Amino acid sequence: DGGITQSPKYLFRKEGQNVTLSCEQNLNHDAMYWYRQDPGQGLRLIYYSQIVNDFQKGDIAEGYSVSREKKESFPLTVTSAQKNPTAFYLCASSIDRDRAKNIQYFGAGTRLSVL
Amino acid sequence: KQEVTQIPAALSVPEGENLVLNCSFTDSAIYNLQWFRQDPGKGLTSLLLIQSSQREQTSGRLNASLDKSSGRSTLYIAASQPGDSATYLCAAHNYGQNFVFGPGTRLSVLP
Repeated sequence: DGGITQSPKYLFRKEGQNVTLSCEQNLNHDAMYWYRQDPGQGLRLIYYSQIVNDFQKGDIAEGYSVSREKKESFPLTVTSAQKNPTAFYLCASSIDRDRAKNIQYFGAGTRLSVL
Repeated sequence: KQEVTQIPAALSVPEGENLVLNCSFTDSAIYNLQWFRQDPGKGLTSLLLIQSSQREQTSGRLNASLDKSSGRSTLYIAASQPGDSATYLCAAHNYGQNFVFGPGTRLSVLP
């Protein structure tokens, strides 16, 4: 079964703590993305990666960090510097970013809350 | 910078009705536009992708059109069903840039 797996489904962060959200894909896609979704708003891009060992900041990267050591994996760390982390986080992938038929596939999401 | 809006924010219709969801974008040099469906608490599912060279795409009861000159795309849903109830988002893609998402239209189809 091909797809994108995000874990955990729910995550709670204590003040001052860093937490890591997992994203794994077996679609053999080069490009991967992290989005944040707040109630009533569209998705906002946090980070994206077009190839292994390379990633770029999106519109709201402050307080977040990522790595792309393997093609299949693109974990997101929410650091203590992110003061308002409560949101729904979505990971996506596509064959590459700039193909004309660039369908994005999404995981089921991780809901992060602050204790 | 590309901006995407969707009107209305929410829509309720009786079962069986045909309906149109609207998506507007500010930069007409669009590369492609994608429509997604999102169920509550879930990820997004791709419905249709229209490339800049195309005017429309169809999948079952869904038809999406693209008019670059007016900065608009519409998603037409025929013979709506309660199972169509979800939030529908559009996303515009300009070459060399990332997707820009609209805020979505929350659709309720009443039995």
